Amino acid sequence: DAKTTQPNSMESNEEEPVHLPCNHSTISGTDYIHWYRQLPSQGPEYVIHGLTSNVNNRMASLAIAEDRKSSTLILHRATLRDAAVYYCILRDVHNQGGKLIFGQGTELSVKP
Amino acid sequence: NAGVTQTPKFQVLKTGQSMTLQCAQDMNHEYMSWYRQDPGMGLRLIHYSVGAGITDQGEVPNGYNVSRSTTEDFPLRLLSAAPSQTSVYFCASSYFRVDTGELFFGEGSRLTVL
Repeated sequence: DAKTTQPNSMESNEEEPVHLPCNHSTISGTDYIHWYRQLPSQGPEYVIHGLTSNVNNRMASLAIAEDRKSSTLILHRATLRDAAVYYCILRDVHNQGGKLIFGQGTELSVKP
Repeated sequence: NAGVTQTPKFQVLKTGQSMTLQCAQDMNHEYMSWYRQDPGMGLRLIHYSVGAGITDQGEVPNGYNVSRSTTEDFPLRLLSAAPSQTSVYFCASSYFRVDTGELFFGEGSRLTVL
């Protein structure tokens, strides 16, 4: 299974943009890049996913490098509620429903 | 819309006791899975299933059994609880297609083994 690498922690100021990086140098052509976040004392929740093109939704944007070996989750204006652990994981379309392995994630803290 | 429902939310066991954590989803998802999360750690996959009658092991399957007799339910059984199984357990489900397969998580079950 292709692995992902994320920084252990990041800090941001409220109402500023946040760029959360993820490296996946062994990604295969059929791996989708998924992002989840886990707020304190809650289960993880889906944020966004993509394959090759950049993606936007109401929560965030996902920027995928041209060689797909890295990606960045962008929170356009961080709020205190965005303080959470953010996980980047890969899902292989040819291993549908297979093992979904979460790494340690990035703990984002947001300062007022 | 209930989503993924886990019961119980809290449980205290003595070493050697057995119990079952229940997980049910009402979204007709083919894929279901169980994770455990220890304090300050990430999620580790215990077992998963891609449909009724099909289960497979994850990263940390020892000490746990699962079965999938229906699409809706995916119970996790601890046959002889050990203190090392003290953790928060999350059930998650999704559609089979990974390109649209957003994982939905339950609220978690906090288990303490004395």
